[in-house]
Amino acid sequence: GAVVSQHPSWVICKSGTSVKIECRSLDFQATTMFWYRQFPKQSLMLMATSNEGSKATYEQGVEKDKFLINHASLTLSTLTVTSAHPEDSSFYICSARDLAGVTQYFGPGTRLTVL
Amino acid sequence: QKEVEQDPGPLSVPEGAIVSLNCTYSNSAFQYFMWYRQYSRKGPELLMYTYSSGNKEDGRFTAQVDKSSKYISLFIRDSQPSDSATYLCAMISGGGYSTLTFGKGTMLLVSP
Repeated sequence: GAVVSQHPSWVICKSGTSVKIECRSLDFQATTMFWYRQFPKQSLMLMATSNEGSKATYEQGVEKDKFLINHASLTLSTLTVTSAHPEDSSFYICSARDLAGVTQYFGPGTRLTVL
Repeated sequence: QKEVEQDPGPLSVPEGAIVSLNCTYSNSAFQYFMWYRQYSRKGPELLMYTYSSGNKEDGRFTAQVDKSSKYISLFIRDSQPSDSATYLCAMISGGGYSTLTFGKGTMLLVSP
């Protein structure tokens, strides 16, 4: 149980385009989902916390207009990287917290490369 | 002082060795402690979850929490090359709006 999927797993796009990444909790409901970014050999950096039906809470230094988060249902959250630039190239990982409110389960990650 | 300290390694051991991975923390409000395993280019996988102080065992893995010392450990017995990965400790206070605080991760290399 407790499976989180992400799609796509790998995306390459041109500079200036927008990319949408989906995160789904497959066998449990998640009122809260999280989006992380990870650079090579670095730890996870929390970008934003998303609660179903409300606006996301962004961490300091994360541009909310650039990284649009939508959490429309208890099993789906999306991250849209708008007007992507090469410096946005990174590994983006989502996680979902179960209704008990403690344990987080992570998706497999999405590798974004912006040319 | 960072909230969670974890030696980044790498920690290199021969197959069959007992591995000890550790984290220290400063926030006494942390109540729940987790260990995640992350393979290269993959998302973290939850290995162990412990509430408050004590030990928890699951197969070859044992998690220990000592809240008085603010110190947590993960032991891996009979380590295998497939255990080679980065191990992240994580902790949370458990409040409704609290988020996980991660260590930086320890890279473990188990050689055949």
